[in-house]
Amino acid sequence: DAGVIQSPRHEVTEMGQEVTLRCKPISGHDYLFWYRQTMMRGLELLIYFNNNVPIDDSGMPEDRFSAKMPNASFSTLKIQPSEPRDSAVYFCASSLAVGSFFYEQYFGPGTRLTVT
Amino acid sequence: KNQVEQSPQSLIILEGKNCTLQCNYTVSPFSNLRWYKQDTGRGPVSLTIMTFSENTKSNGRYTATLDADTKQSSLHITASQLSDSASYICVVTPYYQLIWGAGTKLIIKP
Repeated sequence: DAGVIQSPRHEVTEMGQEVTLRCKPISGHDYLFWYRQTMMRGLELLIYFNNNVPIDDSGMPEDRFSAKMPNASFSTLKIQPSEPRDSAVYFCASSLAVGSFFYEQYFGPGTRLTVT
Repeated sequence: KNQVEQSPQSLIILEGKNCTLQCNYTVSPFSNLRWYKQDTGRGPVSLTIMTFSENTKSNGRYTATLDADTKQSSLHITASQLSDSASYICVVTPYYQLIWGAGTKLIIKP
């Protein structure tokens, strides 16, 4: 398996523009997570899905952020409009669950977003 | 409040030396504890996952310990190598949650 795939790897955009980040989880994994990482705040969980359904979006910073998972092999994280404070590395991860606990998470390489 | 605290925040050691990283947590209910290694510019990679009943778990030169009574874990790295330079993050999981620590940045100097 190729692991979790994210695109693009780097994105530079101007404030006010729409940004879409993409993720393909590992085949067979039923959980998908979106994280944001900055030097100041570390790794933050934004939202996670189970079987394509959003379960917990309490980490989504504000209404400018939205995430979708139209099928088991694809998810998007959209920021509209983007702001400079959104600059960060965004990671996607996928995992299985054992009972009610997450099993090992596999992370993608991340998308480095710079908003100028 | 569920929290995971790691120490030290950063650490510099010479190649070949051993080191120990600490993780204290106030998380309930506890299910498992994980240590991740994150190289600069890459996503975290799992080193170990420990359940409530496990006290020690090894992965090559990495050995994690868990004391569920005191709610403490440590990650011991033996005979450090330059490739061990990375951030090491402790994660504790109650039901359907992931509580991430801020990580320890480890630098190995030749």
